[in-house]
Amino acid sequence: SQKIEQNSEALNIQEGKTATLTCNYTNYSPAYLQWYRQDPGRGPVFLLLIRENEKEKRKERLKVTFDTTLKQSLFHITASQPADSATYLCALEDGGFKTIFGAGTRLFVKA
Amino acid sequence: DVKVTQSSRYLVKRTGEKVFLECVQDMDHENMFWYRQDPGLGLRLIYFSYDVKMKEKGDIPEGYSVSREKKERFSLILESASTNQTSMYLCASSPGLAVYPKQETQYFGPGTRLLVL
Repeated sequence: SQKIEQNSEALNIQEGKTATLTCNYTNYSPAYLQWYRQDPGRGPVFLLLIRENEKEKRKERLKVTFDTTLKQSLFHITASQPADSATYLCALEDGGFKTIFGAGTRLFVKA
Repeated sequence: DVKVTQSSRYLVKRTGEKVFLECVQDMDHENMFWYRQDPGLGLRLIYFSYDVKMKEKGDIPEGYSVSREKKERFSLILESASTNQTSMYLCASSPGLAVYPKQETQYFGPGTRLLVL
C-alpha cells in the first residue's frame, strides 16, 4: 500500500529564510497531492493541492513542487515568519474516497 | 466558510464505557471521515462515509462503529472504551464532487481529545 515519509525531525530556521519541507511516497503516483497546516491541539487546515500533471503551484509565500519521477513533493515557505511555526502534513489520494496523511514535519521559525 | 464542529473538545471516560463522538458539517458535503491522531503515527482513518447510511471501514476500524443517519452528521461510537483508545479524534468532510480530477480537499473539525482511564 501507499506510504508517505516526512522528516520526523523538527525544522528550525531563522525568520526571513526559506523553509523547505519534503514529502516522499513509495508506490504509485497519486492523481494529486495536498499540503495541510496543523497547529497544536487543532485540526489540519488545507493549504495547497497540486495535480500529477503540474510541476509547481504557488500561493502567496507558499510554493509546492511535485516530481513524479522522484516520487517527491517539496513545500517551500519563503520569507518565513514566527507565525508560520506549525506542523505541516503531506497527504495523497489513495484510491476512491480515501486520503492518506504523513505524520508531518514540525517547523519552528525563530525571530 | 466550511464549518465542521465536534461535540466535545475534551472528554474523559472510564474503561468499558460506551462513548459517542458527534460531528456536524454545514456545507452539504457528501463525504465524512473519522481519524485518530497519535504522536509519530500521523492521522489514521477509522471509518468514512460517502453517503447517508453508507459507511466504509478505514485502516483501523476495530473497536469502533459509526452512524450516518443524516447527511450533515457523522457519529463515531466506541462500543467499550479501552485505554488504548486514548487519542485525538478528528472528523473531516469533503465535497465528493463527481468530477475528474477529483479534488477531495478535506475540512477538519477542531478535534476531540479523549482520555480513557
